[in-house]
Amino acid sequence: DAGVIQSPRHEVTEMGQEVTLRCKPISGHDYLFWYRQTMMRGLELLIYFNNNVPIDDSGMPEDRFSAKMPNASFSTLKIQPSEPRDSAVYFCASSFGLRDTEAFFGQGTRLTVV
Amino acid sequence: DQQVKQNSPSLSVQEGRISILNCDYTNSMFDYFLWYKKYPAEGPTFLISISSIKDKNEDGRFTVFLNKSAKHLSLHIVPSQPGDSAVYFCAAQSWFQGAQKLVFGQGTRLTINP
Repeated sequence: DAGVIQSPRHEVTEMGQEVTLRCKPISGHDYLFWYRQTMMRGLELLIYFNNNVPIDDSGMPEDRFSAKMPNASFSTLKIQPSEPRDSAVYFCASSFGLRDTEAFFGQGTRLTVV
Repeated sequence: DQQVKQNSPSLSVQEGRISILNCDYTNSMFDYFLWYKKYPAEGPTFLISISSIKDKNEDGRFTVFLNKSAKHLSLHIVPSQPGDSAVYFCAAQSWFQGAQKLVFGQGTRLTINP
């Protein structure tokens, strides 16, 4: 398996534009997590899914953020409209839904909103 | 509300000496703890973990200690090597109503000096 795949690796967009980040989890994993890395809060959990169903989106900063998982092999994180303070590295991770197992991360998407 | 805290943003250690990274948590529901290592422009990778039923887990040069009463865990690296220079994230896992949640700390940047 190629691991968790995120696209794009880098995204530069103008304030007010819509941004869509994509993630393909490891095949067979039933949990998918979206994190945002910031200096202040480290890896901040935004939302996570179990079997394609959102379980907890309490980490989503504002209504401008939304995430979907239409099937077991694909998820998106959308920001509309984007703002400069959204600039960060966004990570997707997946795991088996078993106790005492680790999550595997993608390489991240570096988002810059100018 | 930061449930997992790494209070040292950075740590500098001489090659060959011991590196000790610390982590505190607030949620007593956490029952599995993990350390991840992150190099620049890469996603975090799993390093070592410990279940709440243990107080120590060792894997080569890496040892994780858990003090449940103090809600504190630490990662010991001995001897430290230049390749250990990276950002280290502490993470905690909990289960609630059958769903798994994985929360990370802010990270500690470890620099190993030759």
